[in-house]
Amino acid sequence: KQEVTQIPAALSVPEGENLVLNCSFTDSAIYNLQWFRQDPGKGLTSLLLIQSSQREQTSGRLNASLDKSSGRSTLYIAASQPGDSATYLCAVYTNAGKSTFGDGTTLTVKP
Amino acid sequence: GAVVSQHPSWVICKSGTSVKIECRSLDFQATTMFWYRQFPKQSLMLMATSNEGSKATYEQGVEKDKFLINHASLTLSTLTVTSAHPEDSSFYICSARDFSQIETQYFGPGTRLLVL
Repeated sequence: KQEVTQIPAALSVPEGENLVLNCSFTDSAIYNLQWFRQDPGKGLTSLLLIQSSQREQTSGRLNASLDKSSGRSTLYIAASQPGDSATYLCAVYTNAGKSTFGDGTTLTVKP
Repeated sequence: GAVVSQHPSWVICKSGTSVKIECRSLDFQATTMFWYRQFPKQSLMLMATSNEGSKATYEQGVEKDKFLINHASLTLSTLTVTSAHPEDSSFYICSARDFSQIETQYFGPGTRLLVL
């Protein structure tokens, strides 16, 4: 059974810092891994999608890496801003056709 | 890009009533749709997998008679919460897998259900 763990559960940083969110998964037989952002009371906003054959994806200040063999992914946020405050979820999409989500990292960026 | 919509986005109902939530793939055909539930301060948990034209597959612990899923077309799946109770209050999110790109799924915006 696929298990997804996100560390840390919560993170508070001052504005401008670079930060790394971690995601680990137990079963490497995945199609892809996706990072989402979720604001309080809102739905999911897809940030980055990494296919199983890829090593990383970049979008603006965000960079996500994937090491499938070790079951790890990181989301790097450069020059953090207060507007980045949200919960970040990673989800692995397996060959069985299901997504398993981590519990998320709640990020607070202080002005 | 591919879009998945959900309707309604918000619903408040009295205990004992049934609520239907729709999930539509707007510009692609989805032979498979997934329904997730998210309780406050928790992550999303898969409830069931819906395949067009066949019965849904429910995850362990999810009551199939309480959460009725119908996937009658390649672009629409519905989740009906029957005889809803306050403990069913949650955020329900669907996702759809593109028939031509099975390695990718697209998520809907979610439906927030509050049962009074």
